Amino acid sequence: DAKTTQPTSMDCAEGRAANLPCNHSTISGNEYVYWYRQIHSQGPQYIIHGLKNNETNEMASLIITEDRKSSTLILPHATLRDTAVYYCIVSRLNTGTASKLTFGTGTRLQVTL
Amino acid sequence: DGGITQSPKYLFRKEGQNVTLSCEQNLNHDAMYWYRQDPGQGLRLIYYSQIVNDFQKGDIAEGYSVSREKKESFPLTVTSAQKNPTAFYLCASSRGHQPQHFGDGTRLSIL
Repeated sequence: DAKTTQPTSMDCAEGRAANLPCNHSTISGNEYVYWYRQIHSQGPQYIIHGLKNNETNEMASLIITEDRKSSTLILPHATLRDTAVYYCIVSRLNTGTASKLTFGTGTRLQVTL
Repeated sequence: DGGITQSPKYLFRKEGQNVTLSCEQNLNHDAMYWYRQDPGQGLRLIYYSQIVNDFQKGDIAEGYSVSREKKESFPLTVTSAQKNPTAFYLCASSRGHQPQHFGDGTRLSIL
C-alpha cells in the first residue's frame, strides 16, 4: 500500500473549518483514501473514504486532487470534541473479505476556544 | 446496538504468564483484526482473519497467537514469548472492502 505523509500537529479555533492535508504521491489506481480519527484512549473511528471523487458525509468532506497525489479532510465547523489524532490511510480494494490498513502517526488536531 | 466489545478494558500480567484478550462482534462481519498501539505511535497489525477457522499473520505476529472458532469471536493470546507486551490492543472487524469498525481497546500492563 502507498505511504502517506501528514503534518504532526495542527490547531483550529472552535467554529472554524479544520483542513487536514495528506500527501500520498505513490498512490495507485485501485487504492482508496481512508480517514480515521482517534480520541485519547479510544479505538479509531471511521470518518470517510474515497477513490477519486470528492465525498461528503455528516462528519466531514474529503477533497482528492485530480492527480490523486494528495487529499484534504475538512471538518466544516470544528468543536472541542473534534480534538483527536487524525489518520490518513491508503489501502487497496481487496477482492477478498479482509482489508489491511497501515496506520502512520497521524495529525494531532487541537481545537481551541 | 451492534458493535465490537473488547474486555477487559485494563489487564495486568505477571512476567512469564500468558494472557488472553477477548474480542466479540455482533455486526455479522466476516473479517476481524488485532492491532497493537504503543504510546505516540500508529496502529500495527498483529493478526487478521477473513473467515472462521482461518487467520493470517500481520506485521508483528511474533509472541502472539489467535483463534477463530466462531464468526463473532477472535481472541488474542499474548504469550510469554512476547518480550514487550505492554501496549494498547485494538480489535476491529469489517465486511468486504467496507471500513473497519474498532472496539475501545484493552490496555495491557506488566507487573
